[in-house]
Amino acid sequence: KQEVTQIPAALSVPEGENLVLNCSFTDSAIYNLQWFRQDPGKGLTSLLLIQSSQREQTSGRLNASLDKSSGRSTLYIAASQPGDSATYLCAVRPQTGANNLFFGTGTRLTVIP
Amino acid sequence: DAGITQSPRHKVTETGTPVTLRCHQTENHRYMYWYRQDPGHGLRLIHYSYGVKDTDKGEVSDGYSVSRSKTEDFLLTLESATSSQTSVYFCAINGALAGATDTQYFGPGTRLTVL
Repeated sequence: KQEVTQIPAALSVPEGENLVLNCSFTDSAIYNLQWFRQDPGKGLTSLLLIQSSQREQTSGRLNASLDKSSGRSTLYIAASQPGDSATYLCAVRPQTGANNLFFGTGTRLTVIP
Repeated sequence: DAGITQSPRHKVTETGTPVTLRCHQTENHRYMYWYRQDPGHGLRLIHYSYGVKDTDKGEVSDGYSVSRSKTEDFLLTLESATSSQTSVYFCAINGALAGATDTQYFGPGTRLTVL
């Protein structure tokens, strides 16, 4: 069974800092990896999706990397802003099965003005 | 996202009562999923559907049933609710909402409290 771990569980940074969130997974046979953002009491918003054949994806100030062989992904946020405060979830889709995702428990990010 | 809605958004019920949650999509996607989210756990799959009348169990399916009689609707039923089913329930679809395939899109969630 795929296990997804996110470290740290919580992170506080001053506004303007660059930061990295980490995600690791136990089974490297993945189809893709997706990063989500979740605001308190809200649903999940897809940020970036990396296919298993890709090494990274970028969207604005966000950059996600994937090292499938080592079972790791990072989400890099440049020049953090208070509006980036949220919980960030990492999820992997296995190569086989029902196309469902296996989630980590998330990193709660607070950007201090 | 505009293409997925869930109802109700909040519900409080008592132990032993039946509860049905509805997920509705306007995107005509084949795959639909029900997850639950609990503190200390990532989202976990309850059931999924790969077409009308085609459903299967996920990781935490005990105590839940599902039905899909139309492409756009996926129902989750708790036959006899228990306090351990207090959770936030998310529906998801797999496919292209904004041109990006393979992305999984989530509804706004239903917060269920079983007293």
